[in-house]
Amino acid sequence: SQTIHQWPATLVQPVGSPLSLECTVEGTSNPNLYWYRQAAGRGLQLLFYSVGIGQISSEVPQNLSASRPQDRQFILSSKKLLLSDSGFYLCAWRSRDRGQPQHFGDGTRLSIL
Amino acid sequence: AQKITQTQPGMFVQEKEAVTLDCTYDTSDQSYGLFWYKQPSSGEMIFLIYQGSYDEQNATEGRYSLNFQKARKSANLVISASQLGDSAMYFCAMREVYYNQGGKLIFGQGTELSVKP
Repeated sequence: SQTIHQWPATLVQPVGSPLSLECTVEGTSNPNLYWYRQAAGRGLQLLFYSVGIGQISSEVPQNLSASRPQDRQFILSSKKLLLSDSGFYLCAWRSRDRGQPQHFGDGTRLSIL
Repeated sequence: AQKITQTQPGMFVQEKEAVTLDCTYDTSDQSYGLFWYKQPSSGEMIFLIYQGSYDEQNATEGRYSLNFQKARKSANLVISASQLGDSAMYFCAMREVYYNQGGKLIFGQGTELSVKP
């Protein structure tokens, strides 16, 4: 069966520090991968998605970047965090088959001090 | 323009009763999919049910069913026999098929459901 791992679960970082959140998927190949951010009590905002290794599409211009160095690995990064980067970050994957849902990791709660 | 609208920010339901969570959507795509997710307070997003735009029958998954009214562009989630563990945020989402490289989902703002004992 397929599983998705996302870490860390919680992260507290000072303003101006770098960020690296990692997401890996097991049990499938060539998935679509997604990074979302969720503000408290709000819906999900799509940040990046990837349809293959090295292929990254950005949905919202911002302080963050994403990379896909391997088929089942998706990394969210920042060189200098802002206070506004605080939030709940979710990674998701989906197979290419018709009608398949996105499956989410457990998320990372990021607090910027 | 907002493509997914959930008009109920919060709802209460008595345990063992049924509840309907509303979702309306807007798309010009003829082929699309509609999804419902549950997000407990722990934060993970749990997939509940899927309805394709060409599916003739309403989707059902255990206690969850989707009341799909295509002409009205609504996809309401019905939870039968509510349980205390159903207390959570519920999100409706849509995926358009055409002009949607990557299979992106568009989410509504969610409905917070509280089940009373």
